[in-house]
Amino acid sequence: EPEVTQTPSHQVTQMGQEVILRCVPISNHLYFYWYRQILGQKVEFLVSFYNNEISEKSEIFDDQFSVERPDGSNFTLKIRSTKLEDSAMYFCASSGSIGAGGYTFGSGTRLTVV
Amino acid sequence: EDQVTQSPEALRLQEGESSSLNCSYTVSGLRGLFWYRQDPGKGPEFLFTLYSAGEEKEKERLKATLTKKESFLHITAPKPEDSATYLCAVRGTSGSRLTFGEGTQLTVNP
Repeated sequence: EPEVTQTPSHQVTQMGQEVILRCVPISNHLYFYWYRQILGQKVEFLVSFYNNEISEKSEIFDDQFSVERPDGSNFTLKIRSTKLEDSAMYFCASSGSIGAGGYTFGSGTRLTVV
Repeated sequence: EDQVTQSPEALRLQEGESSSLNCSYTVSGLRGLFWYRQDPGKGPEFLFTLYSAGEEKEKERLKATLTKKESFLHITAPKPEDSATYLCAVRGTSGSRLTFGEGTQLTVNP
């Protein structure tokens, strides 16, 4: 069964450092998303991406965050200057069409900012 | 603003003891209600999408139903491997984002 692949599975970084989280969505999917889940809290939407541009973003997705699809297979989330409160599980998801069927999530990257 | 409330927060069942999880929602024009299963340290695993009141979907021991205000996930004769957190999410007309509830942590004892 096709799956969304995320790397690394766990990343520890110092406050103020830049991190890049990587995702390989399902190959024939056209819509890509990033969500995050702070420990013990609900899954929260960050950003959606379609046709090489951001289609929607949440209040959380401020200027410290950026997304990119550098080639035909990868989708990345960059946090420019990490803060302690950025510590969370970050999930990449993809879908074949907007809202139809399910959104397939990856296993996540656990980001720990120290 | 779309909102999702799930109850109970936690549910402990004996193997074979059927029960239901609730998801209440408010959304500006429902474009889909989603049920996911999440195991510890893992990403949400898709179970069902429901689009309109009255719709029902089944998968093994799980059955999801939808009304205009809430959805139920019925678990029939659960097994220990059904233990997980079950998440409900909605998509409204405002865009592509899913709004998640807090989840129900289900434990099924053998």
